[in-house]
Amino acid sequence: GIQVEQSPPDLILQEGANSTLRCNFSDSVNNLQWFHQNPWGQLINLFYIPSGTKQNGRLSATTVATERYSLLYISSSQTTDSGVYFCAVGGNNDMRFGAGTRLTVKP
Amino acid sequence: DAGVTQSPTHLIKTRGQQVTLRCSPKSGHDTVSWYQQALGQGPQFIFQYYEEEERQRGNFPDRFSGHQFPNYSSELNVNALLLGDSALYLCASSLVIQGARGYTFGSGTRLTVV
Repeated sequence: GIQVEQSPPDLILQEGANSTLRCNFSDSVNNLQWFHQNPWGQLINLFYIPSGTKQNGRLSATTVATERYSLLYISSSQTTDSGVYFCAVGGNNDMRFGAGTRLTVKP
Repeated sequence: DAGVTQSPTHLIKTRGQQVTLRCSPKSGHDTVSWYQQALGQGPQFIFQYYEEEERQRGNFPDRFSGHQFPNYSSELNVNALLLGDSALYLCASSLVIQGARGYTFGSGTRLTVV
């Protein structure tokens, strides 16, 4: 099956700093999504981005499908950005999640 | 518009017992997927239901079964519980729009097996 690797596993930032999270995947996919899991366990969909670049406020994402990686950028981080960020890839019926990047933003 | 609703939020069961978890999808969504998330790991796909049929299944034993009702809500049943079944169980409903499947996740049911 498809392998999904996320890096770094843990990231600690000071409020206001920028960060880049990476997701590598082992095979071509037609579905790639980024999620944020809040401390209460809920997964919030951030981006559907099988290719190209998208931006939503302080967050943006880029997927280079031919090179099998995706990047999530967080600018001017806030304490509310803390949590675990997951990349998930797959077809239209099942998604394979990476192990996540745990982000801690300190005030 | 209500999102995905899961019940119960927390559950404690004894090894060997059976459990049923419930999921109401987001309004307008016709497909329900179930995931298991062990502590410190990413969610793992259990199965997906569409039109009351199991459409795809992940690498989980037959102790894990499910059902989808005509109103698109779904149940996840786990028989003969093991300690290793302790996890957060997430339900995601989805709809394909212009060839892309967008997922909405519920807050999950945290199952503890003792």
